[in-house]
Amino acid sequence: QSVLTQPPSVSATPGQKVTISCSGGSSNIGNNFVSWYQHLPGSAPKLLIYENNNHETNNRPSGIPDRFSGSKSGTSATLGITGLQTGDEADYYCGTWDSSLTTMVFGGGTKLTVL
Amino acid sequence: QVQLVESGGGVVQPGTSLRLSCVASGFIFSHHAMHWVRQAPGKGLEGVAYIWFDGSNKYSADSVKGRFTISRDNSNNTVYLQMNSLRAEDTAVYYCVRDGQRGFDLDYWGQGTLVTVSS
Repeated sequence: QSVLTQPPSVSATPGQKVTISCSGGSSNIGNNFVSWYQHLPGSAPKLLIYENNNHETNNRPSGIPDRFSGSKSGTSATLGITGLQTGDEADYYCGTWDSSLTTMVFGGGTKLTVL
Repeated sequence: QVQLVESGGGVVQPGTSLRLSCVASGFIFSHHAMHWVRQAPGKGLEGVAYIWFDGSNKYSADSVKGRFTISRDNSNNTVYLQMNSLRAEDTAVYYCVRDGQRGFDLDYWGQGTLVTVSS
């Protein structure tokens, strides 16, 4: 049972938009920065989106296209992906620090299928 | 470019020990906190342990507390995970991960090393 809650799967067709939700609590998302990761089979996870000290929740490392976006409200966060491509099929994880558990916590992962 | 190379994984029996190593290159190692994150077969990501840039503070998940210890050697750009009293449920791919220092953003991941605990 993961500390953060994500839907197990989402699906959409190429070109469409999809959102993935991540729900937590005051000890994690509510008071710490949220990040999002893409995990392709056989590869290491990749950082997609991170929150910064200005509480901007839509920062992307270099090389990550602006088709990927993030937002946060209270104890929930959302990853958005527009212009879906077949190469976007992967598992997506939200992550943050939990101040009570004093450890990194992640959602259970959401499998994205691009039909 | 940033590289993180893990080693030390393998097949071990329950109750035994293993030490994972991760050699970092391509950045100033002593400026970054480091994490170990694992993924059990068919499961999601789990934060295992975290160490500050200078090694002065360390944190570990409840599932491994008292059994696993994270440490680092900044003179050799290496972070370690000492795993004792291994259990079957510790079977996983273990990733060495750099903290981007922007708020627990894990910005570079190693390829992972597989630990299998089985009798």
